[in-house]
Amino acid sequence: DAKTTQPNSMESNEEEPVHLPCNHSTISGTDYIHWYRQLPSQGPEYVIHGLTSNVNNRMASLAIAEDRKSSTLILHRATLRDAAVYYCILRDRDDKIIFGKGTRLHILP
Amino acid sequence: DTGVSQDPRHKITKRGQNVTFRCDPISEHNRLYWYRQTLGQGPEFLTYFQNEAQLEKSRLLSNRFSAERPKGSFSTLEIQRTEQGDSAMYLCASSRSDRANTEAFFGQGTRLTVV
Repeated sequence: DAKTTQPNSMESNEEEPVHLPCNHSTISGTDYIHWYRQLPSQGPEYVIHGLTSNVNNRMASLAIAEDRKSSTLILHRATLRDAAVYYCILRDRDDKIIFGKGTRLHILP
Repeated sequence: DTGVSQDPRHKITKRGQNVTFRCDPISEHNRLYWYRQTLGQGPEFLTYFQNEAQLEKSRLLSNRFSAERPKGSFSTLEIQRTEQGDSAMYLCASSRSDRANTEAFFGQGTRLTVV
């Protein structure tokens, strides 16, 4: 399984943008980059995914490097409800989802 | 549709007993996944189904664990002769495979405590 590397934890102030980095230097051409998050005492929830181009949805934006060896999840205006563990995952088409340890995001009021 | 539901939400059992968990996926989803999560760790993949066929089992899934999805709808995960190390959150997820790379939807999980 292709690996991703994320910081163990990050902090951000409420109402400010958050940039969550992910390195995936061994990504293959058919791997999609997925982001999930897990709020306390909840199951993981899908955030966003992309292949080559940057992607936007109502929750976040995904910026993918031109060589696809890294990506950044962008929360445009963090709220206290965004405090969660964020997982960056490489997924080959419809293959199973393999989670790493993720980044624990703390939001400071 | 109310999403993926898991039953029970909590289970306390004595070591050596058998337990069974149920997962009801989103109705049109043909893929169903089982994961286990311990405190401070990300979810670990256990097994997954496409319709009623079990496509893959992790090495983590010892012979005490068995999963079924008999009619391609709900699934059960059974743990026989439970051990304290089986204490964890067991998560179920579902997705569609007919469209490329769709998201998976997770249930709230079943928290198992083996005493």
